Amino acid sequence: QKEVEQNSGPLSVPEGAIASLNCTYSDRGSQSFFWYRQYSGKSPELIMFIYSNGDKEDGRFTAQLNKASQYVSLLIRDSQPSDSATYLCAVKGGGSYIPTFGRGTSLIVHP
Amino acid sequence: GAVVSQHPSRVICKSGTSVKIECRSLDFQATTMFWYRQFPKKSLMLMATSNEGSKATYEQGVEKDKFLINHASLTLSTLTVTSAHPEDSSFYICSEQKGMNTEAFFGQGTRLTVV
Repeated sequence: QKEVEQNSGPLSVPEGAIASLNCTYSDRGSQSFFWYRQYSGKSPELIMFIYSNGDKEDGRFTAQLNKASQYVSLLIRDSQPSDSATYLCAVKGGGSYIPTFGRGTSLIVHP
Repeated sequence: GAVVSQHPSRVICKSGTSVKIECRSLDFQATTMFWYRQFPKKSLMLMATSNEGSKATYEQGVEKDKFLINHASLTLSTLTVTSAHPEDSSFYICSEQKGMNTEAFFGQGTRLTVV
């Protein structure tokens, strides 16, 4: 069974700091990796996706993928209180087109 | 902008009645639709996967006679919660996906309360 693991948190960081969110996955055949943000009471929204090893940057967000270690992370620079949400990691591939979601990490950015 | 539209956003119904939730892809292309439910502060739970013109594939433990999924047109998938009970109260979310390794986009979600 494919597994995607995330620390549930909460991860608390001060405003302006870098928030680092981590995710590990069990299926070595996984090919595509996604980060979603979910505010309380709302549905998830896609932040970033990454397919290749290395870093991918989009504004204040950087996704990092290390397939050898089966590890994907999301860095949020200059964290803002509005970034406070649950961040979901999702993984696809290995013969399945159905995404497997982690349980999510709760991030709190305090002023 | 949104690529999938889900409604209603919120519904309250009496125990024993049925509720239909609709999700429509906005770009008029064939899509796979995933249906999830989520309890407060819990993770997403995949209920079923649907494609146009074929029967939905339900996850283990999900009652297909209770949660009827129909994907009769290219872009419209519906979930009907039949004979709803208070324990069916939850946040139901659809998610669409165009291709195997592409990203999935979520609808706005439906908060169902059964009284």
